[in-house]
Formats: sequence, structure tokens, C-alpha cells
Amino acid sequence: GENVEQHPSTLSVQEGDSAVIKCTYSDSASNYFPWYKQELGKRPQLIIDIRSNVGEKKDQRIAVTLNKTAKHFSLHITETQPEDSAVYFCAASMGAGNMLTFGGGTRLMVKP
Amino acid sequence: GAVVSQHPSWVICKSGTSVKIECRSLDFQATTMFWYRQFPKQSLMLMATSNEGSKATYEQGVEKDKFLINHASLTLSTLTVTSAHPEDSSFYICSARRGSDNEQFFGPGTRLTVL
Repeated sequence: GENVEQHPSTLSVQEGDSAVIKCTYSDSASNYFPWYKQELGKRPQLIIDIRSNVGEKKDQRIAVTLNKTAKHFSLHITETQPEDSAVYFCAASMGAGNMLTFGGGTRLMVKP
Repeated sequence: GAVVSQHPSWVICKSGTSVKIECRSLDFQATTMFWYRQFPKQSLMLMATSNEGSKATYEQGVEKDKFLINHASLTLSTLTVTSAHPEDSSFYICSARRGSDNEQFFGPGTRLTVL
């Protein structure tokens, strides 16, 4: 089955700096890669996703890049703010109807 | 749109009792629902995939007789933890898929504590 690795497990940045979280996946058939933000005790919230026919996607301060050949994808957050502090999960799926396999999570701390 | 609710949001029970958790899609029909378990400071681990009107597909290592899943309608799936023990204490989260969307919409989770 699919295996998703996520790094780093914790990341501390100064407010205003950029943060980058990286994930690798094992199954080349995976074609949907969402990123979720989860605050303590709350549900995961989708923040951005990318499909395998696209190499990069951007939404304001958040961007995701995908390298299908290398089977890795990354989340980039620019101009970080304290409210960005949370746990971020990447995931991979083989598309509609298929399960998501999650990475181990990254605890992001943005220091004011 | 695409709101998923869970009930209860938290429950404390004695060891040996059974607990039922409901997952509802409030404004859409969910062809597939997923149940996850999340231990503190860990990732979400898929327990089972539930399709309306058919038996759930359980992930390896998940006891189907202990975690009973019923997906009786397109808007409701239930997870029953039978004969709960302290090691079953966890955060249980459901998600629902709308139509042919890739995106899964997550419920708010249920925190189960077994004494």
C-alpha cells in the first residue's frame, strides 16, 4: 500500500519567515495530494490540494509543489503569522473514492 | 456547504461498555465515509472505509468485531466500539466524500476516554 513520509516533525520559525514542509510518497499511482491544518482537539481542515497533472498551486501565502518523478510534494507558507501555528498533515490518494494515506504530521510553531 | 457532524463530541465510559459514535453529512449525500483514529500527537490512522448499503472495508490490524461500522444511509455512518477498554481511548474522526470529489470533509471528532 501507499506510504507517506513527512519532514520535519517539528518546525519553529520567526513570524514573517517562510516555512517549508516536505512529503514523499511511495505509490506512483497516487494522483491527489491534499494538505490539512489541524489545531489542537479540532478537525483537520483542508488548506490546499494538488492533482498530479499540475506541478504547482498557490493560494495567497500558501503554495504546494509536486514532483511526480521524484514522488515528493511540499507545502510552502510565506510571511508566517502566529495563527499559522498548528499541526500540518500531508496526504496522498489514488483519487476519487480512494482512501487518504496521511504523513506523520509537522508541528509548526510561529514565534511572534 | 459540505458540513460533517459527529456525535457525541466527547464520551467517558467504563471499561467493558459499548459506545456508539455517529457521523452525519448535513448538506450532502456521502457515498463513502471513512473512520480514523488519532492518538495524542500522532497522525490520523484509517480504520475502515464505509460505503452506503454495503459492508465496511477494514484496514489491516483493525478488529471488525470490536469496531462495528454501519452505513445505513447516504448521510449517516455509525461506529460502535464494543467492550471498550482503556487502550481504545483515542480521538475518533470520520470523514465523508461527496459524489466523485477527491476531497474528504472531516467531522469535528469524538474524544473517547475509557476508564
